[in-house]
Amino acid sequence: AQSVTQLGSHVSVSEGALVLLRCNYSSSVPPYLFWYVQYPNQGLQLLLKYTSAATLVKGINGFEAEFKKSETSFHLTKPSAHMSDAAEYFCAVSDKTSYDKVIFGPGTSLSVIP
Amino acid sequence: NAGVTQTPKFQVLKTGQSMTLQCAQDMNHNSMYWYRQDPGMGLRLIYYSASEGTTDKGEVPNGYNVSRLNKREFSLRLESAAPSQTSVYFCASSSSETGINYEQYFGPGTRLTVT
Repeated sequence: AQSVTQLGSHVSVSEGALVLLRCNYSSSVPPYLFWYVQYPNQGLQLLLKYTSAATLVKGINGFEAEFKKSETSFHLTKPSAHMSDAAEYFCAVSDKTSYDKVIFGPGTSLSVIP
Repeated sequence: NAGVTQTPKFQVLKTGQSMTLQCAQDMNHNSMYWYRQDPGMGLRLIYYSASEGTTDKGEVPNGYNVSRLNKREFSLRLESAAPSQTSVYFCASSSSETGINYEQYFGPGTRLTVT
């Protein structure tokens, strides 16, 4: 069975500092991996996705993530945090055999301190 | 192009009451989903529909029923609401027609409180 863990339910960074949100997954088959962002009182929107092409994936708003098979990780990074990055971030996994079922992690709330 | 729409946005129910949450998408997607979001638990799949006329249970289906009315619409019904169903409900849709595009598109959510 697939599963997703996100280390740290809450992360605080200073404006301009590096953002690092951690995601580890388990999957018995090659996974598809996603990061979604949820701003307050809104639905989720896709930041980026890995679908077995390049292991370093670039997304919107300056975010990127690297798929590391050996570590079963898909950590999200951004070099310089902006106040507008404050939101909830969800890592998710699906696979080619059951793409319709996406498993979401518990989420990480990112706060950006001025 | 409105994407995924949900109605209502807010609802308060008394225990035992029933209601239907409506969802519609205008992106011609095959697959539609209903999730609930609770603090610290991420999103949990209630039901999904891989295509018109088919529905399947997700992780937490008890207390809910769904109807895939047509390709556009996917409704979620609470027959007898319980306080444990207080949550934020999200509808989502996705397309598999390209073979690789499994991104889900989410509606704005329905905040349901059961007293």
